[in-house]
Amino acid sequence: EPEVTQTPSHQVTQMGQEVILRCVPISNHLYFYWYRQILGQKVEFLVSFYNNEISEKSEIFDDQFSVERPDGSNFTLKIRSTKLEDSAMYFCASRPGWTGNEQYFGPGTRLTVT
Amino acid sequence: RKEVEQDPGPFNVPEGATVAFNCTYSNSASQSFFWYRQDCRKEPKLLMSVYSSGNEDGRFTAQLNRASQYISLLIRDSKLSDSATYLCVVRNEGGKLIFGQGTELSVKP
Repeated sequence: EPEVTQTPSHQVTQMGQEVILRCVPISNHLYFYWYRQILGQKVEFLVSFYNNEISEKSEIFDDQFSVERPDGSNFTLKIRSTKLEDSAMYFCASRPGWTGNEQYFGPGTRLTVT
Repeated sequence: RKEVEQDPGPFNVPEGATVAFNCTYSNSASQSFFWYRQDCRKEPKLLMSVYSSGNEDGRFTAQLNRASQYISLLIRDSKLSDSATYLCVVRNEGGKLIFGQGTELSVKP
């Protein structure tokens, strides 16, 4: 069964450093998303991406964040200058777009900012 | 008011029990509704979509009442493997998913 993959599974970085989280959505899916979950809290939407542009973003997704689909398979989330409060699980999700509204999630990247 | 609100947990039940989870949502323009389950420190996994007519998948039954903005999930004959956090999820007009806080279920032998 096709699945969303994410790398790395765990990233440790120092405050102020840039990080790039990588995702490979399910092939042929058209809509891509990033969510995050701070430990002990609910899953929160960050950004959605369709047709090579951002279609919606949350208040969390400020100018320190960016997304890119550099080729036909990868979908990346970049945090330019990490803060302690960016420590969280980051989940990528994708959706087919032509049938059903279900989003399928990757296993997540645990980001720890020290 | 929270966008998606769920029963507080945890629910501790014996194997074989029937357990029900409730959820309310605040945005009447919400488009689609789902139950996801999340195991500790793992990704949310889609359990089932929820339709106005109600739908069933094996031991799981989901109901949606749009007028009351209420969603439910019933698990019959619960198994040890059902232990997880159950997330009520609503999709808004733009396509983003809005998650509830989740309700933790622990099924004991």
